[in-house]
Amino acid sequence: GNSVTQMEGPVTLSEEAFLTINCTYTATGYPSLFWYVQYPGEGLQLLLKATKADDKGSNKGFEATYRKETTSFHLEKGSVQVSDSAVYFCALTGGGADGLTFGKGTHLIIQP
Amino acid sequence: GAGVSQSPRYKVAKRGQDVALRCDPISGHVSLFWYQQALGQGPEFLTYFQNEAQLDKSGLPSDRFFAERPEGSVSTLKIQRTQQEDSAVYLCASSLVASGTEAFFGQGTRLTVV
Repeated sequence: GNSVTQMEGPVTLSEEAFLTINCTYTATGYPSLFWYVQYPGEGLQLLLKATKADDKGSNKGFEATYRKETTSFHLEKGSVQVSDSAVYFCALTGGGADGLTFGKGTHLIIQP
Repeated sequence: GAGVSQSPRYKVAKRGQDVALRCDPISGHVSLFWYQQALGQGPEFLTYFQNEAQLDKSGLPSDRFFAERPEGSVSTLKIQRTQQEDSAVYLCASSLVASGTEAFFGQGTRLTVV
């Protein structure tokens, strides 16, 4: 079956630091890949997505590239801000009429 | 509506009680999903509707869990004879078409069984 593994948190960084949150997946076929973010007190929001190999998703300064050869979709940002503090979830869907498979989430804390 | 709306936001139930959780998806969204999120974990898929048809219920943990979407819009997740292990946040998401497109999530219902 499908599964997503992402790095354990919490990850604590200083403002303006470089961010990487690792995500690897196991799936049959050709999944679509997503990063969702959950800010304190809010619901899950789609941050970015990629639907085929070598696609790069980007939003709000965050990027992730769909790497089929390494089955990875690592999230990166060049300079984080305090407002980026949240829980980040890597997820995939196998296509068709199935739901999302999520990783366990990575809690990111940015200190001023 | 402007977003996916779930009610109640918080629910405390005594063990053995039945509960009903409501989801109002974004108007016109064909697909509706329910997820269960335990503390410190990622959401786990429970069930999927396309309009009023429940196409996948493979994630429902037991026959105490039942979901319906009779008119292809509002959905209700019902849990009978609640147990402590049912304590979690229940998330609803909707999308315009099938998966692979953006799913919009509600804020969830936090269920605590005491």
